Amino acid sequence: NAGVMQNPRHLVRRRGQEARLRCSPMKGHSHVYWYRQLPEEGLKFMVYLQKENIIDESGMPKERFSAEFPKEGPSILRIQQVVRGDSAAYFCASSREQGRNTEAFFGQGTRLTVV
Amino acid sequence: AQRVTQPEKLLSVFKGAPVELKCNYSYSGSPELFWYVQYSRQRLQLLLRHISRESIKGFTADLNKGETSFHLKKPFAQEEDSAMYYCALYSGNTGKLIFGQGTTLQVKP
Repeated sequence: NAGVMQNPRHLVRRRGQEARLRCSPMKGHSHVYWYRQLPEEGLKFMVYLQKENIIDESGMPKERFSAEFPKEGPSILRIQQVVRGDSAAYFCASSREQGRNTEAFFGQGTRLTVV
Repeated sequence: AQRVTQPEKLLSVFKGAPVELKCNYSYSGSPELFWYVQYSRQRLQLLLRHISRESIKGFTADLNKGETSFHLKKPFAQEEDSAMYYCALYSGNTGKLIFGQGTTLQVKP
């Protein structure tokens, strides 16, 4: 089991472009979480998804950000018309199920730089 | 409100000294708390959870419901303990992990 895979590891975008961040959960995991880590700050929850469903997107900015976790393929975090303030590390985590005692496994993150 | 607070951004100690990384939480109900660690250029990984009462790499953490704290402790710090440590709270209402701001532990030789 390769663990949670995120790609790309590093992504550079110009202001106004789109950024697509991919997360392949661990085998057998159907729950995916996205977090953002801004410089000098901790991990901020963005969105929680199960296959084909968004369960909780309370941490997602209302505009320009969207996430999906299709039946087949990786989860995608999409940022449209990026701005400098979007520069951050974006981490994905997956778990087998929801519940107490469920461990979340993290990917290595995608570092987005907006120039 | 559900919240996790780690008051120290940076904790610097000498090798062999005791370490205590502070974590306070706010949660109505029975909390489930975790400590995650992120070594340089590596992914976050689970260090320990309060429910299993285990000791990993010499670290322990005790849940104190009266003080709403879950401080991480180690009696003798090692250089390889240098990393970023995150305290996290599992929210049963929403099914998500809520993280604190993280504390960087620096163990000097």
